[in-house]
Amino acid sequence: SQKIEQNSEALNIQEGKTATLTCNYTNYSPAYLQWYRQDPGRGPVFLLLIRENEKEKRKERLKVTFDTTLKQSLFHITASQPADSATYLCALPPGWDYKLSFGAGTTVTVRA
Amino acid sequence: NAGVTQTPKFRVLKTGQSMTLLCAQDMNHEYMYWYRQDPGMGLRLIHYSVGEGTTAKGEVPDGYNVSRLKKQNFLLGLESAAPSQTSVYFCASSYPTDINEQFFGPGTRLTVL
Repeated sequence: SQKIEQNSEALNIQEGKTATLTCNYTNYSPAYLQWYRQDPGRGPVFLLLIRENEKEKRKERLKVTFDTTLKQSLFHITASQPADSATYLCALPPGWDYKLSFGAGTTVTVRA
Repeated sequence: NAGVTQTPKFRVLKTGQSMTLLCAQDMNHEYMYWYRQDPGMGLRLIHYSVGEGTTAKGEVPDGYNVSRLKKQNFLLGLESAAPSQTSVYFCASSYPTDINEQFFGPGTRLTVL
């Protein structure tokens, strides 16, 4: 069966450090992978998308890698700030339409 | 633009009661989705719609029904609520582009006693 796994443990890091989150998947052949941010009591918000032929994507202090051989994406928050504290979800398409499957998310807390 | 809105924000039901959750979007999106989010399980797709008048089952459709009579609205119904349907429900919408960014509403927290 298809499965998406993210870091099961919450991540607590010091301000200024880099947070690294993992997203592993099995029995998918995704054309792309997305990352969303979710704050407590709110809906997820799209951050960025990386395609299967892209190894790395950057957006401001965010960096995402995508390794289709390892079936893994890494999400990095560099020079982290307390405002980066949130839950981060990875999502990918289970098939060829526009549906998405989501991971359970990793909660990041950045200490000042 | 309001984006995606959901009503109500909170609701408590007794087992066996029925209710309808309303989702509205003002972005002229073709696709709309209903998810539930439970601790440790992530977002699970209940039903979705690829256009006005069309609906389809997602991953966990049992116990729910939906309707999309107008393009901007997507209704989720619970005919006979059960405690297992206690969850946070999110509606989302998207336009069929190659980015497929989904826009989410603020959620409805439902408790079934």
